[in-house]
Amino acid sequence: EAQVTQNPRYLITVTGKKLTVTCSQNMNHEYMSWYRQDPGLGLRQIYYSMNVEVTDKGDVPEGYKVSRKEKRNFPLILESPSPNQTSLYFCASSLRAGVRNEQFFGPGTRLTVL
Amino acid sequence: AQSVTQLDSHVSVSEGTPVLLRCNYSSSYSPSLFWYVQHPNKGLQLLLKYTSAATLVKGINGFEAEFKKSETSFHLTKPSAHMSDAAEYFCVVSAETGGYNKLIFGAGTRLAVHP
Repeated sequence: EAQVTQNPRYLITVTGKKLTVTCSQNMNHEYMSWYRQDPGLGLRQIYYSMNVEVTDKGDVPEGYKVSRKEKRNFPLILESPSPNQTSLYFCASSLRAGVRNEQFFGPGTRLTVL
Repeated sequence: AQSVTQLDSHVSVSEGTPVLLRCNYSSSYSPSLFWYVQHPNKGLQLLLKYTSAATLVKGINGFEAEFKKSETSFHLTKPSAHMSDAAEYFCVVSAETGGYNKLIFGAGTRLAVHP
């Protein structure tokens, strides 16, 4: 089944403890992206990747890192999480970076930072 | 710059009555527009998309939207609401800036459907 998977789905952690949220897609997509969803704000882009080894900042990149060493994986890294990073995170992918390409979303990761 | 405004944060309808979720957009370029739906505790699913072809777009589950350039609107409609339509809906704009697929999301409209 074609899909985007994220792990973990739920995570409760403490301030300053490094964590990684994994994202993987099995559709051979070039483009991948991370978003965070907060009430009343919709989804905001954190980072995106046009293809392997090419990443760039989105609208809210502070406090996050990403890497794209393989086409299928795009992990999101929080080196020192803070409570303001408590949010619902979505990974998405599309075949190409062009604007007409539909993005497919993962199921989401709900992160709580205490 | 691109932006999108969903005019209602909450909409409540009775089952079997029409649904109207309003969306206005701003774009310096010829936009692509999408509606996504998010059911409770689920990811986002594409309902429909407009990419410069027919202005009336039909999507899944009986939803449709009309692109009106003169009004910069892309309202989502459904003739008859079903209980399973209760969810949050996002209007999204994407435009040709830098050639990559950045989506700008509206704040969302929560649709409640009552028996």
